[in-house]
Amino acid sequence: AQSVAQPEDQVNVAEGNPLTVKCTYSVSGNPYLFWYVQYPNRGLQFLLKYITGDNLVKGSYGFEAEFNKSQTSFHLKKPSALVSDSALYFCAVRDLYNFNKFYFGSGTKLNVKP
Amino acid sequence: DADVTQTPRNRITKTGKRIMLECSQTKGHDRMYWYRQDPGLGLRLIYYSFDVKDINKGEISDGYSVSRQAQAKFSLSLESAIPNQTALYFCATSGPGASNTEAFFGQGTRLTVV
Repeated sequence: AQSVAQPEDQVNVAEGNPLTVKCTYSVSGNPYLFWYVQYPNRGLQFLLKYITGDNLVKGSYGFEAEFNKSQTSFHLKKPSALVSDSALYFCAVRDLYNFNKFYFGSGTKLNVKP
Repeated sequence: DADVTQTPRNRITKTGKRIMLECSQTKGHDRMYWYRQDPGLGLRLIYYSFDVKDINKGEISDGYSVSRQAQAKFSLSLESAIPNQTALYFCATSGPGASNTEAFFGQGTRLTVV
């Protein structure tokens, strides 16, 4: 069965430090992987995606993610965190072999302290 | 104007009442989804539709029904609301091809059943 795991409910980081939000997945075939961000009282906003090609993908607001096929991981990263990055982050996978459904992780709350 | 619009944004209803959440989109996408968000559980798929004649149950469809009135409109109904349906509900859309891989979300409807 397709699934996405975000092992950390919360990540705390100081402003200016690098951040990593972890995601692992299980999917048949080649994965389409995504990161979304949710600010309070808002919908989910698309950050970046991996479809094929370079394992390091760059997205909005300075975020990037590294696809690792052998570890089935797709960790979200940013070299220097901002207080305004504090939000809820979701990893998702699109199952191309099962009606193109999207599966989401449970979310990771990122807290960036000044 | 938002590409994916949900109405209402907030709703409080009583146990046993029927309620409809509406979603409309201007993306021109054929695929539409209804998700439910609960703290610590991420987003869970309620129903999805690939066109007006195609409706499919998701992981947690019990107690819900949907209607795809047009390509751009997808409504979610709770026939007899119960308190454990209190949650944040999201509508999403996606396209079919390699250039339309990510999902686009509405702002959400916060539903409280008392």
